[in-house]
Amino acid sequence: AQSVAQPEDQVNVAEGNPLTVKCTYSVSGNPYLFWYVQYPNRGLQFLLKYITGDNLVKGSYGFEAEFNKSQTSFHLKKPSALVSDSALYFCAVRDGAGGSYIPTFGRGTSLIVHP
Amino acid sequence: GAVVSQHPSWVICKSGTSVKIECRSLDFQATTMFWYRQFPKQSLMLMATSNEGSKATYEQGVEKDKFLINHASLTLSTLTVTSAHPEDSSFYICSAVAGGPSNEQFFGPGTRLTVL
Repeated sequence: AQSVAQPEDQVNVAEGNPLTVKCTYSVSGNPYLFWYVQYPNRGLQFLLKYITGDNLVKGSYGFEAEFNKSQTSFHLKKPSALVSDSALYFCAVRDGAGGSYIPTFGRGTSLIVHP
Repeated sequence: GAVVSQHPSWVICKSGTSVKIECRSLDFQATTMFWYRQFPKQSLMLMATSNEGSKATYEQGVEKDKFLINHASLTLSTLTVTSAHPEDSSFYICSAVAGGPSNEQFFGPGTRLTVL
C-alpha cells in the first residue's frame, strides 16, 4: 500500500521569503516521489521528481525538494517566493518496486504568496 | 516535455445529454492513460485506467456505464459522460504515461463540465 500526506491545507508566505510545502509518504518498496503545481482551472504541471540519486532534487521555476528517507518526507522548498507561485501544490508517491505505476496524490496544499 | 491535450476545455450541457471529452498525447505514444475527477479545492480522484486496445479498469464506486472510456489508439482516449446530471459537473483531467523507468505521468489541461 502507498499513501501520501500533506498536513497543511494552506501555506501563507510573504514575497521574497523562503517557502516550504510539506509532504510525507508511506510505501512498501522504494518511493518514486513527485511534485505538481496546479493553477486555477488548469491541469497539473510537473515540477520535479525523485527516483534515485541525490536527495536534493532541483526542478522547475526555482523549486527544489529534499528526499529524507529516515523521516519519509519530501518537502518542497523555494528560497525566495514570488506572488506568481500562488497555486495548489500536490505531492504524489508511487511504489517503485511494485508493478502498478499509478501514483497516489496528496490532498493538495494551497500556497498563497502575499506581496 | 511531453504534451497532453484535452478537448473541449470547457463544456456546458443540458441534463440528460451525453458529453465526450478527448485526451490526446501529442508527441508520444501512451499505452496507458488515466482519467481523474477533481472537485473544487480537492485532490484528484482517479476514475479509471485506460489501456489501448482493451477495456478500461474502473476504480471502486465509479459507474462504468455512466463514464464510458475508449482508448482506440496510442494517442487518443475518450471519456463520455452519458445522461449527464448536475452532480456530474466537475473538472475532469486526463494523464498519459510516457514510459521509461519512472513511468512519469503528463497531465492534460483539464475539462470543466457544467451540467444544467
